[in-house]
Amino acid sequence: QKEVEQNSGPLSVPEGAIASLNCTYSDRVSQSFFWYRQYSGKSPELIMSIYSNGDKEDGRFTAQLNKASQYVSLLIRDSQPSDSATYLCAVIKNTGGFKTIFGAGTRLFVKA
Amino acid sequence: GAVVSQHPSWVICKSGTSVKIECRSLDFQATTMFWYRQFPKQSLMLMATSNEGSKATYEQGVEKDKFLINHASLTLSTLTVTSAHPEDSSFYICSASRGTGGETQYFGPGTRLLVL
Repeated sequence: QKEVEQNSGPLSVPEGAIASLNCTYSDRVSQSFFWYRQYSGKSPELIMSIYSNGDKEDGRFTAQLNKASQYVSLLIRDSQPSDSATYLCAVIKNTGGFKTIFGAGTRLFVKA
Repeated sequence: GAVVSQHPSWVICKSGTSVKIECRSLDFQATTMFWYRQFPKQSLMLMATSNEGSKATYEQGVEKDKFLINHASLTLSTLTVTSAHPEDSSFYICSASRGTGGETQYFGPGTRLLVL
């Protein structure tokens, strides 16, 4: 079992719809959670971080964290073609030292 | 802000030569820097973690004598690919964190290496 799992996609949504990206993690000591966006041929850029259970909203993006279910998600409202990219989930755990584990990413395609 | 730069952005070299890639945090002090490699259509692969003034910690399977990492200051880390071969051609990305690894990582724009 991978430590951080994401559906590789592609996830295809029409323009204006809500895109829902999911991520599960295996280690309960995980404490910090991040979503990054990576356009093809570019490096990842930070979208959001979330540390406590519940929702965190930033513009069209909402991150949701459920530590009991070991699940973190990213919702993108009013999806735009420019949102088409690979979205990486990252989890930090501290087991005697900090370690960041990245998921393999979910490819999102927003159709105009 | 948290801006990380890399230089060069792309490099082409002959097989057997060494290539140095620089990673700089421009507006913050980076206690920890990370080096990743990404092959086309694959996920990020962490190569090593470096803390300023100490030896880098390499991930399993990454040859420390081939990928030399130096984190000489709180704003600069370098990765040297020694005796590069075509299979080393990849997208090398650094990231930087203010703390000891438990904080947000900010990524540089990456360096594309092509070894002929």
